[in-house]
Amino acid sequence: KAGVTQTPRYLIKTRGQQVTLSCSPISGHRSVSWYQQTPGQGLQFLFEYFSETQRNKGNFPGRFSGRQFSNSRSEMNVSTLELGDSALYLCASSLVAGVTNEKLFFGSGTQLSVL
Amino acid sequence: ILNVEQSPQSLHVQEGDSTNFTCSFPSSNFYALHWYRWETAKSPEALFVMTLNGDEKKKGRISATLNTKEGYSYLYIKGSQPEDSATYLCAFKGAGGTSYGKLTFGQGTILTVHP
Repeated sequence: KAGVTQTPRYLIKTRGQQVTLSCSPISGHRSVSWYQQTPGQGLQFLFEYFSETQRNKGNFPGRFSGRQFSNSRSEMNVSTLELGDSALYLCASSLVAGVTNEKLFFGSGTQLSVL
Repeated sequence: ILNVEQSPQSLHVQEGDSTNFTCSFPSSNFYALHWYRWETAKSPEALFVMTLNGDEKKKGRISATLNTKEGYSYLYIKGSQPEDSATYLCAFKGAGGTSYGKLTFGQGTILTVHP
């Protein structure tokens, strides 16, 4: 069974540009969540999608958005990039994410550098 | 703001030593506590998901305990091996709509096991 796949692996952008990151969950998983990791910070929750609906959103500006498609694949978009958006973006999937003892399966992440 | 604290921040031990780390989390509104291991250049991997006060979980040489009343969890590694070197993350899952699909991670404990 294939794991969680994130593309691209690395990305270099300049300030003001926008970027789209992609995540393909494990087959059969319907919940996809996104996390940001910056130096000195723990993993920060961005948002979570289930069945194409955003169920929760973290404390990030509106420049950060996402969506989920009918095949559960998810994309996140960051518009008007700032230097502080440089980070590792991790995607995680689970079957439902509402079950008490359900764990997350993480992808390898997309390392975004904003110059 | 939800605080999940891990200590120590980093730990260096010799091969064969036993070690333990602490994760502190809010004692109210508890739903689940996750532990993940994150090796360099890999994806975070779930170790345990704990839900009940007094829970003890074991996976090989690694075990964890949970105290939801006082808001802490311990992770123990018996007879550390160099391959145990990784960042160990705990994550709190709260109950209620605002926590839906969301994990709040601690900063992690970086373990280095020297041969």
